[in-house]
Amino acid sequence: QVQLVQSGTEVKKSGASVKISCKTSGYDFIRYFIHWVRQAPGQGLEWMGRIDPSRGTTISAQNFQGRLTMTKDTSTTTVYMDLSSLTPDDTAIYYCARDALSSAPKLSYFDFWGLGSLVAVSS
Amino acid sequence: QSVLPQPPSASGTPGQSVTISCSGSNSNIGKNYVYWYQQFPGTAPKLLIYRESLRPSGVPDRFSGSKSGTSATLAISGLRSEDEASYFCASWDDSLTGSVVFGGGTKLTVL
Repeated sequence: QVQLVQSGTEVKKSGASVKISCKTSGYDFIRYFIHWVRQAPGQGLEWMGRIDPSRGTTISAQNFQGRLTMTKDTSTTTVYMDLSSLTPDDTAIYYCARDALSSAPKLSYFDFWGLGSLVAVSS
Repeated sequence: QSVLPQPPSASGTPGQSVTISCSGSNSNIGKNYVYWYQQFPGTAPKLLIYRESLRPSGVPDRFSGSKSGTSATLAISGLRSEDEASYFCASWDDSLTGSVVFGGGTKLTVL
């Protein structure tokens, strides 16, 4: 069965970076894009970007361009999300999610999600 | 302020029908598909509706989606207590560099 297993809680200071992992299994890793979506406490969902595991190419939301890095390790079928220059506004649960179609960006939607990784940032 | 405004809350009694609206524009819902996700407290979102009106396997047919112009609607019929959750709409927005955009979410309470 498809599984996305994320790394655990991270506590950071303002200005630091955080790197979260998303270990996938149960499907052909290179066939499906992986997206990152975050949710601040009590708030809605915010899309951050996606990576194509077959080529390593990424697209990011404008809000995160310049401080979001997404990478992949095909040997371990794991995707990583690195967010730099953290501020308290980055406190959120970060989800990785599989793109059901993995084709054109505008057709993106998410059929499997990780359980989320909490990132807490203090000033 | 969400790109896709939704009412923050909705409610109904068991057996009733409820609808949740999602308002967009010509840069998102007006030109692109709409998706709906269901989220229970403390859990990850779950895909509920894709391409406006299609249900993934396992989603009851009590849930239906529709779109008209730049707005979309999620309808739930025969409301059940286990439907109490938050519901988020989503679409692609063609503005600037393009991005997935979500609604702010609607918290559904089953009275």
